[in-house]
Amino acid sequence: DQQVKQNSPSLSVQEGRISILNCDYTNSMFDYFLWYKKYPAEGPTFLISISSIKDKNEDGRFTVFLNKSAKHLSLHIVPSQPGDSAVYFCAASAKGSARQLTFGSGTQLTVLP
Amino acid sequence: DGGITQSPKYLFRKEGQNVTLSCEQNLNHDAMYWYRQDPGQGLRLIYYSQIVNDFQKGDIAEGYSVSREKKESFPLTVTSAQKNPTAFYLCASSIQAGVYEQYFGPGTRLTVT
Repeated sequence: DQQVKQNSPSLSVQEGRISILNCDYTNSMFDYFLWYKKYPAEGPTFLISISSIKDKNEDGRFTVFLNKSAKHLSLHIVPSQPGDSAVYFCAASAKGSARQLTFGSGTQLTVLP
Repeated sequence: DGGITQSPKYLFRKEGQNVTLSCEQNLNHDAMYWYRQDPGQGLRLIYYSQIVNDFQKGDIAEGYSVSREKKESFPLTVTSAQKNPTAFYLCASSIQAGVYEQYFGPGTRLTVT
C-alpha cells in the first residue's frame, strides 16, 4: 500500500525548458512534503520542502506546488539544466511517529542538451 | 567538515553470514535512520533512533538489528534471517526527531551471493 506515489518512472526534457515532476499521496495526515535529488551510487540530497499550510514554495529555479484537496504535489524546475539529470524522490511526513519520511518510488529526470 | 560517513561503499558477503554496515555522523544530530533502496523503489525505513540507547523498528525491520551506544554512530547488522539482503543501504540523520529534513550518507551497496 503505497502512501506516496510517483507514477512517472522517467521524464525527458530539453535543456532550458520546464521540468514538472509529480507526486500523489493518500494519507491525509501528511502535513509536510519534501523533494530529494539523487545521483547514482550517492545518497539523496535535500532540495526543497513545503508545509501543508502553504500551496507554493520557491527556491531559485525550483518551485514546489501543493494541492491539498487533490493530495497532489509537483516540483517545477525552470529552466532545466543537464546537471539536473538525476532521480527525484518526493517524501511526506506526518505529525508524530518521530516525523518519519515516507518516500515515493522516484522519477528519473533526463535533461537533454 | 561535517557529514555522514558510510563504509564501505561496496560490500560482498556469502549467504548465511551476518554483516554490519557502518554509519558515523559528526553533525551532532540526535536522530539517525537506516533505509533500504531497491531498484525502481523508493527508500524504505528499516530502523530509526531518536536518541542514544533508543531505537525503533521501521517498516521493514525483520532480519535487521541496530545499536545506538554513541550519538555519532548507528551501525546496522544484516542478519542471515533477512531473506533478500542485496540492496543499497542508506543512513540518514536529522538534528532531532521531529525535525523534517534528513541528511543522507553516500550509501553502501551490499551484495549477498
